[in-house]
Amino acid sequence: AQSVTQLDSQVPVFEEAPVELRCNYSSSVSVYLFWYVQYPNQGLQLLLKYLSGSTLVKGINGFEAEFNKSQTSFHLRKPSVHISDTAEYFCAVSDSSASKIIFGSGTRLSIRP
Amino acid sequence: KAGVTQTPRYLIKTRGQQVTLSCSPISGHRSVSWYQQTPGQGLQFLFEYFSETQRNKGNFPGRFSGRQFSNSRSEMNVSTLELGDSALYLCASSWRQVNSYNEQFFGPGTRLTVL
Repeated sequence: AQSVTQLDSQVPVFEEAPVELRCNYSSSVSVYLFWYVQYPNQGLQLLLKYLSGSTLVKGINGFEAEFNKSQTSFHLRKPSVHISDTAEYFCAVSDSSASKIIFGSGTRLSIRP
Repeated sequence: KAGVTQTPRYLIKTRGQQVTLSCSPISGHRSVSWYQQTPGQGLQFLFEYFSETQRNKGNFPGRFSGRQFSNSRSEMNVSTLELGDSALYLCASSWRQVNSYNEQFFGPGTRLTVL
């Protein structure tokens, strides 16, 4: 079975500061890993994904994540956040069919001016 | 190209009633997946439909059902509503090509409130 753990339910950070949102996963098979963002009253938007290959994945809006197989982690980072990054972020995992996605509990990122 | 559309966007029902939610996938997409989002349980997979057949199912009671039509549009139905069914219901569509990654594109969701 697959599962995802997001270690922080809320992360407050000052504008233009760096941020890291932590994610650990467990799976007995090869997986795809994702980070999604959800803005208030909206659906989910894919930020980035890891399918295979380079362990450093770059996504939209300046976000990047690093796949670490030995630590079963997929932490999301951004060097300098903006007010517009205020949202909830979900780490997720799926098998190779990608038709069923297992989500973490989410991390609410709040940006202070 | 239009994105995934869900109707209605908001819905209020009372306990014991039933409800039907609709999802129109991106043109050409043949797979539709449904998810339930609640503050307590987070985002949970309900089921996936592809070629009018349920291909994958999450851990939900039989009160939750769905179907897919020949044009790939999908509906989900919840019978005998309970207060705990209040949630944002999201659907996502994808190509569902064999042996390749198929990104899921999410709709804006239907917010169901059960009173």
